[in-house]
Amino acid sequence: GIQVEQSPPDLILQEGANSTLRCNFSDSVNNLQWFHQNPWGQLINLFYIPSGTKQNGRLSATTVATERYSLLYISSSQTTDSGVYFCAVGETSGSRLTFGEGTQLTVNP
Amino acid sequence: GAVVSQHPSRVICKSGTSVKIECRSLDFQATTMFWYRQFPKQSLMLMATSNEGSKATYEQGVEKDKFLINHASLTLSTLTVTSAHPEDSSFYICSARGRTGITETQYFGPGTRLLVL
Repeated sequence: GIQVEQSPPDLILQEGANSTLRCNFSDSVNNLQWFHQNPWGQLINLFYIPSGTKQNGRLSATTVATERYSLLYISSSQTTDSGVYFCAVGETSGSRLTFGEGTQLTVNP
Repeated sequence: GAVVSQHPSRVICKSGTSVKIECRSLDFQATTMFWYRQFPKQSLMLMATSNEGSKATYEQGVEKDKFLINHASLTLSTLTVTSAHPEDSSFYICSARGRTGITETQYFGPGTRLLVL
């Protein structure tokens, strides 16, 4: 099956800092999603981005499908950004997702 | 965005009892729902894929007789943990596949924390 690697595993920032999270995957995909899991466990959809670039407020994501990686950018981080960020991929648009191990982000005031 | 609910949010039960968890898509019809399990400080692991009106497809290593899945309608799937044991204690999360424009994404429920004593 598809392997998904995320880096870094842990990241600690001061409020206001910028960060880049990376997701590498081992095979071609037609579905890639970024999620934020808050401290209560809820997974929040951030981006559906099997290719290209998208932006939503302070967050943006880029997927280079031919090189099998995706990046999530967080600018001007806030304490509420803390949590685990997961990248998940699927072989087809609506298929089962394989999750990476996540990046634990802590934003300190 | 699409909303998926789960009930209960938290359950504590005695070893040997069965627990049923409901997953509902509130504002869209979901032909496919997925069930995941997440242990502390770990990633989500897919347990099974549930299609409305047909038998669920289980991932390798997941006991289908222990984790019973029913997807009786386009908005409801249930997971029953039968004869639960302490090692079944985990965070169970469902997702529903919905269509946004021409793309299909998965929307996740808030999860159910199961503690088996």
